[in-house]
Amino acid sequence: AQTVTQSQPEMSVQEAETVTLSCTYDTSENNYYLFWYKQPPSRQMILVIRQEAYKQQNATENRFSVNFQKAAKSFSLKISDSQLGDTAMYFCAFMKHGVLLGGSQGNLIFGKGTKLSVKP
Amino acid sequence: DAGVIQSPRHEVTEMGQEVTLRCKPISGHNSLFWYRQTMMRGLELLIYFNNNVPIDDSGMPEDRFSAKMPNASFSTLKIQPSEPRDSAVYFCASSLRRGASGGYTFGSGTRLTVV
Repeated sequence: AQTVTQSQPEMSVQEAETVTLSCTYDTSENNYYLFWYKQPPSRQMILVIRQEAYKQQNATENRFSVNFQKAAKSFSLKISDSQLGDTAMYFCAFMKHGVLLGGSQGNLIFGKGTKLSVKP
Repeated sequence: DAGVIQSPRHEVTEMGQEVTLRCKPISGHNSLFWYRQTMMRGLELLIYFNNNVPIDDSGMPEDRFSAKMPNASFSTLKIQPSEPRDSAVYFCASSLRRGASGGYTFGSGTRLTVV
C-alpha cells in the first residue's frame, strides 16, 4: 500500500521569504502522479501544483515549484515570495496511474498535512 | 462553473439522529468521491462512484454509513444512526474520470458535529 509522509506538522515563514515543505512517499509503482493541495481556513481544498512521475522536469506554477526526486521518493514544495494569503494547511497527495474500475488506481492518498503560517 | 457544491456547510445533530449530506458535482465529471477529514486520521476516502455507480466502498466505516448517486448531478452520504465519533469534515470531490491526471476538484466540505 502507498503511504505519504509529511514530517513537518507546522512551519512559519516571514512574508516575502521562501519556504520549503517536505513530502516523502512509499510505493512500488512506476507510473503515478503527485499533488500539493492547499486548505486555507475557509476549508476549501485547492490544487496548487501537480507532477507526473514520468516527467523529470520539476513542475512550476508562478511562485510555487516542486523538487521531485523519484529515486528518493521525495516531493517537496517551495513557495517563493511568501504572501499572507499562503497561510494554510498544505497536503501532499499520491495517485497511482490507471483507470481500472475497482482497486486503488486513481485514489488520492493524502499525507497528514503541514500547517504553514506566513507572518507579516 | 460553480464548482462542487456541498450542503449543508455545518450540521449539528444529536446522537442517534439521521444525517444526510449532499453534493452536486461539476457538470460533465463522471467520477465522484466522498472523503472524511479528522485530526487523528487525516483525509480518508469513503466511497467513489463512476457514472453514478458505486465502485469502491471499502472505506465506508460501518453499515451506519450509506451513499447514493441517483443521477449525474447529485449524491448523498447518509449516517443513520449518527454517533459522536462521526464528527468530522466530509468532503465531496469530482473529476472527469477516476485517475485523471489533473486531480480532483473538492467542495467546501460539511462540518458535522454529533453531540
